[in-house]
Amino acid sequence: DQQVKQNSPSLSVQEGRISILNCDYTNSMFDYFLWYKKYPAEGPTFLISISSIKDKNEDGRFTVFLNKSAKHLSLHIVPSQPGDSAVYFCAANVNQAGTALIFGKGTTLSVSS
Amino acid sequence: DTGVSQDPRHKITKRGQNVTFRCDPISEHNRLYWYRQTLGQGPEFLTYFQNEAQLEKSRLLSDRFSAERPKGSFSTLEIQRTEQGDSAMYLCASSRWTGISYEQYFGPGTRLTVT
Repeated sequence: DQQVKQNSPSLSVQEGRISILNCDYTNSMFDYFLWYKKYPAEGPTFLISISSIKDKNEDGRFTVFLNKSAKHLSLHIVPSQPGDSAVYFCAANVNQAGTALIFGKGTTLSVSS
Repeated sequence: DTGVSQDPRHKITKRGQNVTFRCDPISEHNRLYWYRQTLGQGPEFLTYFQNEAQLEKSRLLSDRFSAERPKGSFSTLEIQRTEQGDSAMYLCASSRWTGISYEQYFGPGTRLTVT
């Protein structure tokens, strides 16, 4: 069974608008969450993370929100740029222990100019 | 830029052959991870090392797979008697404790095609 779910395989947004990517998880032991971006023929690139003791973390145009009661997190990109077009993966970990990351299947974001 | 590097980037092999991949982590990172990614899926964890010790192995890592990190620096992943189902992108990542977390940084991957 999938412990980390990204239910939207794709998302299309216009340049300058907000992109919202969603992620749900089932394992209540997860307490550290990360977002990665992946371009074709490259490895995933770390974007932003959040610990379960917070409900929001912001880094420039990227903000991650965590709703622990709903076991849901989201990544907001504002404003969206064409260079943001990539596959975005949500990942989770237990106790920030630095062991195995559990990834979702990814959401392909397309930002049109 | 001294990011994570992997060699080779692409490997085509015939079923039944053995293959070996290499990963060079970021120099100050003491943890090294191997993941596998197939089309339409996220990366799946295979194994990880802290320094030279292999601390965890996934059940995905069958006995045909072996990983080493002999001096706590670079690592190798060997697949013996390759099968078509082994075709995938093999990703290496490294990390160190930042004081807050371990953030894993990935290499570009080795794409394996088994014919």
